Amino acid sequence: ELKVEQNPLFLSMQEGKNYTIYCNYSTTSDRLYWYRQDPGKSLESLFVLLSNGAVKQEGRLMASLDTKARLSTLHITAAVHDLSATYFCAVDMNYGGATNKLIFGTGTLLAVQP
Amino acid sequence: EPEVTQTPSHQVTQMGQEVILRCVPISNHLYFYWYRQILGQKVEFLVSFYNNEISEKSEIFDDQFSVERPDGSNFTLKIRSTKLEDSAMYFCAPRRDYTDTQYFGPGTRLTVL
Repeated sequence: ELKVEQNPLFLSMQEGKNYTIYCNYSTTSDRLYWYRQDPGKSLESLFVLLSNGAVKQEGRLMASLDTKARLSTLHITAAVHDLSATYFCAVDMNYGGATNKLIFGTGTLLAVQP
Repeated sequence: EPEVTQTPSHQVTQMGQEVILRCVPISNHLYFYWYRQILGQKVEFLVSFYNNEISEKSEIFDDQFSVERPDGSNFTLKIRSTKLEDSAMYFCAPRRDYTDTQYFGPGTRLTVL
């Protein structure tokens, strides 16, 4: 059974600092997502990573994927308070078929302090 | 991002009662999914639905759960006899095809008392 692990589970950081969230998964997958979730809200798609070595950037967030290491990272540059949220990675299982589904990591609660 | 609505946004029910959660995607979605998230926990896959039948279901999706798309539009999740542990956010997640990015609806918060 696929396992998706994120660390850290909780991250408190100061504005202006950099940090990285890690997402490890246990079996092969061709697609990995990063989502943001604000309290009481739905999941907002941030990045979809489709291949080994893929790197995507949007504003202060940059995501990368290493399929050989089964590792994805979400790097935060010069954090601002507006980035405070819970971040989930999710691995797309059985991508390419009717039975595909997402397996989520445990989430990382990010709190950016002024 | 595809437009998806879910109704109700919040439902409070007594244990043992039946609830129906509804998802209304835009018309050209072919794949439908339900996920749930217990408060403070990760998101969990419940069921996938394609071509008017269940493609895959998780261990959570037991005999108390059912899904259907009765009118070709609304996609529903029914829980026949709710338990306290069914309290969670339920997200509908339709896709046009399997290459589509997976977006999520706004969710229904179910509270079982």
